Amino acid sequence: NAGVTQTPKFRILKIGQSMTLQCTQDMNHNYMYWYRQDPGMGLKLIYYSVGAGITDKGEVPNGYNVSRSTTEDFPLRLELAAPSQTSVYFCASSPAGGVSYEQYFGPGTRLTVT
Amino acid sequence: AQKVTQAQTEISVVEKEDVTLDCVYETRDTTYYLFWYKQPPSGELVFLIRRNSFDEQNEISGRYSWNFQKSTSSFNFTITASQVVDSAVYFCALSEGGETSGSRLTFGEGTQLTVNP
Repeated sequence: NAGVTQTPKFRILKIGQSMTLQCTQDMNHNYMYWYRQDPGMGLKLIYYSVGAGITDKGEVPNGYNVSRSTTEDFPLRLELAAPSQTSVYFCASSPAGGVSYEQYFGPGTRLTVT
Repeated sequence: AQKVTQAQTEISVVEKEDVTLDCVYETRDTTYYLFWYKQPPSGELVFLIRRNSFDEQNEISGRYSWNFQKSTSSFNFTITASQVVDSAVYFCALSEGGETSGSRLTFGEGTQLTVNP
């Protein structure tokens, strides 16, 4: 199993550009999450999904959009990139709901907006 | 709202020293889980331990041990006989959510541990 994979690993965007961060998991997990990690900080939840077709906002959703058309994929869309979105983005998945399940993280995408 | 505080931003020790990383949390939930993750310089997040709110037994795994005290809302992490490979950022996290809403983690800001040879 590859686990959670993210592409690209690195990206530099100009202000106002758009891009999609890809996330795929092969563990058949229903629950998927997007976090961002700013320099020297902990992770903050952007969006999450409890299954295909269902998404919901996390703590910091502004400037982002998500979709979940399949169990495996959970892409994150930045429509108008801003310098404040410079961060490392982590995708994660968990096998079920409830508070007890650990989340499996992808390797991260490092995004710089200039 | 949930909150996790890791007051120690950076800790530097010499190899073989013991080191404790502090974690204090706030939640109104009666059922919750606490986690520790390690983020080595390569950047990935490595799961270390999970502890539920009803289990206050300490846990030991090799050189790692965890002390959960509900009375003080703390979940501290101790590394015994530290090694250079333990150098990383360590995150404490608190989960919230229900069976149908997933497990959403609230992270502390992390503690950068540097173990010098």
